[in-house]
Amino acid sequence: DTEVTQTPKHLVMGMTNKKSLKCEQHMGHRAMYWYKQKAKKPPELMFVYSYEKLSINESVPSRFSPECPNSSLLNLHLHALQPEDSALYLCASSLRPSFEDTQYFGPGTRLTVL
Amino acid sequence: GESVGLHLPTLSVQEGDNSIINCAYSNSASDYFIWYKQESGKGPQFIIDIRSNMDKRQGQRVTVLLNKTVKHLSLQIAATQPGDSAVYFCAENKSNDYKLSFGAGTTVTVRA
Repeated sequence: DTEVTQTPKHLVMGMTNKKSLKCEQHMGHRAMYWYKQKAKKPPELMFVYSYEKLSINESVPSRFSPECPNSSLLNLHLHALQPEDSALYLCASSLRPSFEDTQYFGPGTRLTVL
Repeated sequence: GESVGLHLPTLSVQEGDNSIINCAYSNSASDYFIWYKQESGKGPQFIIDIRSNMDKRQGQRVTVLLNKTVKHLSLQIAATQPGDSAVYFCAENKSNDYKLSFGAGTTVTVRA
């Protein structure tokens, strides 16, 4: 089983709202990732969690706040977003934070900021 | 910035023909290369990978070729089917880094 699940599938929010995206995997993976993907573009890395600790933040604005409550869950808290933040947000996981370990992606959350 | 790119943004293939999707990379230190398939409305799906110490690797109906001399990666799909219609991304990383760097993507359309 190589399944990464994400909820919700779609989210529409206003610029003053607070919302959260959720990602879950039960493969025993210890590295989890958040990517942002704009239409017709490749995924762009946002954050990496390694053994439940934030190891990489790709200079993401503070209105995006990641959280890893345990080894199976990854959240992305959203606050005061801008319309240009509208995108597909992808979660991925790999067995370890290693170049040799394949990253498996979830289906994504389609976010629209009004 | 991206160190991986694709030669063509789109590819139209007749059903049953073989497809070849190309990717050029600029980082000679890259150690690991992956092909992902992304269907409309879905996340990227792992297809096949190859280490830098290999030239060729085969999967089910897919073959990845790596030419380190010219820094070129290709994905061959045999007997292309309508379900192969998707965007294909190559990605790479280095042994001291687990950050994937994606190419721009090639949209493959299969004609019936």
